[in-house]
Amino acid sequence: NAGVTQTPKFRILKIGQSMTLQCTQDMNHNYMYWYRQDPGMGLKLIYYSVGAGITDKGEVPNGYNVSRSTTEDFPLRLELAAPSQTSVYFCASSYLSEQYFGPGTRLTVT
Amino acid sequence: GENVEQHPSTLSVQEGDSAVIKCTYSDSASNYFPWYKQELGKGPQLIIDIRSNVGEKKDQRIAVTLNKTAKHFSLHITETQPEDSAVYFCAASGGSGGGADGLTFGKGTHLIIQP
Repeated sequence: NAGVTQTPKFRILKIGQSMTLQCTQDMNHNYMYWYRQDPGMGLKLIYYSVGAGITDKGEVPNGYNVSRSTTEDFPLRLELAAPSQTSVYFCASSYLSEQYFGPGTRLTVT
Repeated sequence: GENVEQHPSTLSVQEGDSAVIKCTYSDSASNYFPWYKQELGKGPQLIIDIRSNVGEKKDQRIAVTLNKTAKHFSLHITETQPEDSAVYFCAASGGSGGGADGLTFGKGTHLIIQP
């Protein structure tokens, strides 16, 4: 199993541009999550999903959107990139409580 | 919502000594407390977890203790080795007890093992 995979690994965006961060898991987990990690900080929950077609906001959802059309995929969309969205983004999945994380996407908005 | 405080932010120990990292949480409904290890440039890796119906759990050199009354939990690493050097995060979740809840993380502890 590949586990949780994320693409791209790195990306630089200009202010106002949009992009989609991809996340795929091959463990047949129902639950999936998006977190952001700022320097020297813990991870903060952006959005989560309990199954295909169901998503909900986490602690810091503003400026982001998600969709969950399949069990495997949980893309994160940034519509109008802002410098405050410069961060490392981690996707995770779980069957029950234990969450497994992907390798992250480092995003810089300038 | 839940708030998790973690101390210390940096911990330097001699190889072979023990390391202890402490966390407190605010929501008495939280019932799941994992610990993650994050190496540079990688995603967090689950190393041990504990649920609220258990006071202590051990896995080889790693142990976690939970005091529900005081709302704090700790990570203990014995016989530290150079490969233990990393950033460690505590987290809490779970009013619902299932996988639906996201985790609330502490700010992390940078553990440095001195040779």
